[in-house]
Amino acid sequence: EIVLTQSPGTLSLSPGERATLSCRASQSVSSNSLAWYQQKPGQAPRLLIFGASSRATGIPDRFSGSGSGTDFTLTISRLEAEDFEVYYCQQYGDPPETFGQGTKLEIK
Amino acid sequence: EVQLVQSGAEVKKPGESLEISCQGSGYSFSTYRIAWVRQMPGKGLEWMGLIYPGNSATRYSPSFQGQVTMSADKSISTAYLQWSSLKASDTAMYYCARCIPVGRACYFDYWGQGSLVTVSS
Repeated sequence: EIVLTQSPGTLSLSPGERATLSCRASQSVSSNSLAWYQQKPGQAPRLLIFGASSRATGIPDRFSGSGSGTDFTLTISRLEAEDFEVYYCQQYGDPPETFGQGTKLEIK
Repeated sequence: EVQLVQSGAEVKKPGESLEISCQGSGYSFSTYRIAWVRQMPGKGLEWMGLIYPGNSATRYSPSFQGQVTMSADKSISTAYLQWSSLKASDTAMYYCARCIPVGRACYFDYWGQGSLVTVSS
């Protein structure tokens, strides 16, 4: 099974700043089959990015994904108040599907 | 509009059985796999497995194989997650999610609101 390690565990930034979240896989993720989700407290996760870099429907363009192989990044270009949540990466290159442990983005 | 609506919160005792449900609407339920994802209190997301409602074919995570049973009734657009004998460690929020297949696995584009299961004596 592919293990995903997200870093940092917690990221403290201010609104307007740029956020860079990392997701590293224990082995190469085939076909860049990597997704990112945002989860607000008490809510279900929401799909942000699939295919490593494709934005899901309705996702603002300040969210972007990049990377390939074992190293992937979610970038939020200019943080807004509603972006300070928990983010998870998920690989679907090889079953079983696996998630990273999450990065909490908090207001500095 | 695609929606997945899950059954409500449950409080059970260890050893009891339980079935929770996930009803889909706004799309062809039979043609998309439904996955189940566990989130233990204060923890991250864990993929449990999925079911294809069209033929009830299932695929389980090795971590959950034999621990739960997934089923579906396509006539009422509903998927189920069942336990025959609950443990305290089954206490968690359980989400269903619609699977978008890519190759042999999938990502999840729509999610249910979650069903909270509490197991306590």
